[in-house]
Amino acid sequence: KAGVTQTPRYLIKTRGQQVTLSCSPISGHRSVSWYQQTPGQGLQFLFEYFSETQRNKGNFPGRFSGRQFSNSRSEMNVSTLELGDSALYLCASSLFLADYGYTFGSGTRLTVV
Amino acid sequence: GQQLNQSPQSMFIQEGEDVSMNCTSSSIFNTWLWYKQDPGEGPVLLIALYKAGELTSNGRLTAQFGITRKDSFLNISASIPSDVGIYFCAGPTYGGATNKLIFGTGTLLAVQP
Repeated sequence: KAGVTQTPRYLIKTRGQQVTLSCSPISGHRSVSWYQQTPGQGLQFLFEYFSETQRNKGNFPGRFSGRQFSNSRSEMNVSTLELGDSALYLCASSLFLADYGYTFGSGTRLTVV
Repeated sequence: GQQLNQSPQSMFIQEGEDVSMNCTSSSIFNTWLWYKQDPGEGPVLLIALYKAGELTSNGRLTAQFGITRKDSFLNISASIPSDVGIYFCAGPTYGGATNKLIFGTGTLLAVQP
């Protein structure tokens, strides 16, 4: 069965721009979580979506937002990009809300210049 | 906030050697998870532990849930080159709308053939 698909794999953006990342979960998985991974801060939780609603949120500024569609696919958006937003953004899907038997995607590598 | 500290930070070993790494927390966890991340990929779940004192194996990997619930250990026996990667411990935290998985700082494993 297909895994978690994240697109695009790589992205280069300029400071001040905005970006949208996409995640297609494993078929049947209803929860999608997003994580930011950087060398300095490690893996940090951004948010979790379940049944098209944000259920849990990490400690990130409002420039980071997301949504989930009726087919469980999710997008995250970062507005007014800063250099510090350069990171690997990982999406993870699971069957249920707060079900930590995650399957991660390969991530989107975002570079802000 | 809660932190998970992993040690060692990195390990450079010869193929065939056994490996031990651990994860400690100042807070109690009711679940411990161990993930492996290959370069350019998302983390993959290796072992999940749900009960204090539990010892669980997955092939050459063995993990233990510490009796104090503040630590966990991962052992890899007879290492092979494909064991190379970053190993993360993780534990879920619960708090209103901030349920999330916290990840450790990671242990980088390099295996010399």
